[in-house]
This record gives sequence, structure tokens and C-alpha cells, in this order.
Amino acid sequence: AQSVSQHNHHVILSEAASLELGCNYSYGGTVNLFWYVQYPGQHLQLLLKYFSGDPLVKGIKGFEAEFIKSKFSFNLRKPSVQWSDTAEYFCAVRGSTLGRLYFGRGTQLTVWP
Amino acid sequence: NAGVMQNPRHLVRRRGQEARLRCSPMKGHSHVYWYRQLPEEGLKFMVYLQKENIIDESGMPKERFSAEFPKEGPSILRIQQVVRGDSAAYFCASSPPAGASSYEQYFGPGTRLTVT
Repeated sequence: AQSVSQHNHHVILSEAASLELGCNYSYGGTVNLFWYVQYPGQHLQLLLKYFSGDPLVKGIKGFEAEFIKSKFSFNLRKPSVQWSDTAEYFCAVRGSTLGRLYFGRGTQLTVWP
Repeated sequence: NAGVMQNPRHLVRRRGQEARLRCSPMKGHSHVYWYRQLPEEGLKFMVYLQKENIIDESGMPKERFSAEFPKEGPSILRIQQVVRGDSAAYFCASSPPAGASSYEQYFGPGTRLTVT
């Protein structure tokens, strides 16, 4: 069965620290990969996506992610976090173009000013 | 362009009552997905619908839950005879029809259902 694992449930950082959130998935075929962010009191917003091509994708607000097919991973990174990055981050996988998304449990990021 | 709309945002029901959750997709979107988020868990897929058709309902509980997306009007997720375990946040997402340049799912703000 398909599954998505996010290794860290809660990450606490100081402003300007670097961020890496892990995401591994289990899926046998071609995948589309996503990172969503949910700011407090708001709905999920798409941070970035990977469909094909360059495995290093850049998203909004300085975030990027690297797809490593051999490791079934799609880790999210940001060189220098800000207090406004405090939110919950969800990794998601989709096996077909219009199909369902499989989500990880989410990682709560808290950034101290 | 308005985003995905969901209402109500908060819904309180007593055990045994019915809950109706509504979702209006983004303009031009013909695919709707419902997800449920339980405390301390990620979003779990429930059902995927196109206009007047259920495409994938593999995530729907077998009893008490139903969904529709009529030709006119919003998609409805209906929960009959609610129980405390149904308390959760229910999110709707929509995506463009086949042939679009991108198939991202855009999420609504969710409906938080509390069963007392």
C-alpha cells in the first residue's frame, strides 16, 4: 500500500537557522510529489511540486525540495527560516494525474524570533 | 478568482444527528476531493468525484457516509447518525479538468465538525 512518512513531528528552530524536513514515500510507479503548508488558522497552500524533469524544485517563499528517486525521498529545505515560517508542513504523493493524494502526518515547525 | 469554498466552517452536532458539509470548487474545476484530518494525523483521502459521478470512494467508511457532486450546486459530504469519532476537520479540494496545464489540488479552509 502507498504511504508517506514524515520523520519529524515537531521541529523548533531559531530565525536564520537552516531547515530540512524529511519525507519518504512508498509507491511503485511514477509519482507526483508535493509539499503543502498550513499556517495557523488557514487552509492548506501548495509550497512546491514535482511532476518530472529537474529533481531540484523551487517553490514559494524560498523553499526548495529535492526528489531522490533511489531513496524514495522528497525532502524540503530552506537555507534561513523566518518567524513567519511557523506552520505545519505536509508532504503528499500522488500516483496518477487526477488521483487522490496520500499525505504524511505533517511536521509542525516553530520558529523563534 | 475565488478559491475553494466550504461551509459551514464550524459545525456542532449531537450524537445521532446528521451533518452536511458543502464544498464549492474553484471556477472551472470539475474534480472534487474530500479528505478528513483527525487529531494528530495527516489528511486521509475519503472520496473523489466529478460532476454527477463518484470516481473513487475507497476512503469512505462503508456506513453512514455519502458524497455527491450534482450537475448544479456544490459537492455535499453527508454523515448520518454522527458519532464522537466523526469529530474531525473535513477538507475539500478541487482540480481542473483533464487537458489542463496543471493538476494541482487546491484546498478549501475546511469544516471542523464537533460531535457532542
